[in-house]
Amino acid sequence: GAVVSQHPSWVICKSGTSVKIECRSLDFQATTMFWYRQFPKQSLMLMATSNEGSKATYEQGVEKDKFLINHASLTLSTLTVTSAHPEDSSFYICSARDLGTGIFNSPLHFGNGTRLTVT
Amino acid sequence: AQSVTQLGSHVSVSEGALVLLRCNYSSSVPPYLFWYVQYPNQGLQLLLKYTSAATLVKGINGFEAEFKKSETSFHLTKPSAHMRDAAEYFCAVSFGSSNTGKLIFGQGTTLQVKP
Repeated sequence: GAVVSQHPSWVICKSGTSVKIECRSLDFQATTMFWYRQFPKQSLMLMATSNEGSKATYEQGVEKDKFLINHASLTLSTLTVTSAHPEDSSFYICSARDLGTGIFNSPLHFGNGTRLTVT
Repeated sequence: AQSVTQLGSHVSVSEGALVLLRCNYSSSVPPYLFWYVQYPNQGLQLLLKYTSAATLVKGINGFEAEFKKSETSFHLTKPSAHMRDAAEYFCAVSFGSSNTGKLIFGQGTTLQVKP
């Protein structure tokens, strides 16, 4: 089955530094990847849609300059949290769709998430 | 606006009992519906999906869900709960009018299974 690999699985960084999270589709190509953020005991909040070869589409309220997304190839998208602060601490999850029979009815496959802690 | 609502943030059942997790959606267009399970500190795993074929959908681990248009519901059930079913469950909707096919998630339901 389709596998999405996310790295690192956890990271601790100091306030003011930047952190890069990678999301790879291992056995399929993904022109679109999705980045979610999840707070403890809460649902997933869509942050942005990563588009291969073009700019990402951010959801309302998500700071573009804070959360930089790059989708340079059909199998790799990266999320960089710039100048991280403690309030950025969260669980970040990426996902991608193996198109299959169509865009809307193909399920999203999720990475295992990255636990970011900013001290 | 299109949305999905999971009724009950926490459900507790005894091992061997019926599991029922509720999901209702609001949409002006035919939706595509999914149930995902999340174990602690992990990503999401697809349990099953509804894509306008059969209204009763069977998934992995003995779960199934029934799409009821008249009730705008897609409740998840399992006849007999196992301890390993304890996890967080999310109902999600992908709407046909979306250009990106992005998923909108419900609030999630924590399933507790008591021995």
